[in-house]
Amino acid sequence: DAGVTQTPRHEVAEKGQTIILKCEPVSGHNDLFWYRQTKIQGLELLSYFRSKSLMEDGGAFKDRFKAEMLNSSFSTLKIQPTEPKDSAVYLCASSHRDNERLFFGHGTKLSVL
Amino acid sequence: QQKVQQSPESLTVSEGAMASLNCTFSDGTSNNFRWYRQHSAKGLEVLVSIFSDGEKEEGRFTAHLNRANLHVSLHIREPQPSDSAVYLCAVSIGGSNAKLTFGKGTKLSVKS
Repeated sequence: DAGVTQTPRHEVAEKGQTIILKCEPVSGHNDLFWYRQTKIQGLELLSYFRSKSLMEDGGAFKDRFKAEMLNSSFSTLKIQPTEPKDSAVYLCASSHRDNERLFFGHGTKLSVL
Repeated sequence: QQKVQQSPESLTVSEGAMASLNCTFSDGTSNNFRWYRQHSAKGLEVLVSIFSDGEKEEGRFTAHLNRANLHVSLHIREPQPSDSAVYLCAVSIGGSNAKLTFGKGTKLSVKS
């Protein structure tokens, strides 16, 4: 399966810790997206990269959330420091171009105690 | 800012009965609508995309769009227990993935 790969699938962190979530997009895709999913807010866009350049960095998430695209096949989302309200599923998605089909990873379920 | 609302929050249907899910949006200039299914094991997958008023069928899944009423629906013909999942509606203007607004989902349970 050459889809979007996210690791880890589950992460448990203590309040104040730094955690790093990882994503490998579909090979050859130019666009990469990070989303946060909660029951209350649904899916919210955190960051959007096009050809490794950061195009959108969700305003509400800027202070403790930092997404990076180190190369075209790997991205990280760092949350520092974590807070209990960060407990959510973090989804990574990629597409070949902006208006083409989005492929999602399985997500990382983060629990912050 | 675009608002996308889905109803009902949860739905239980019997195997073989039609399942109908609703989605309303607030921006009448929206022109790109997608329905996604989210299985806990499989992640999110797109089921059907629709861009103009009317209906679009993909296998057992049919989307109906009425932009004047700010409404798009998904109908699942002959649902099976394997269709039990959360269904998400996503709306954008111009088709940009970066501008997609998602609803919070409808949890569908199909009982055999």
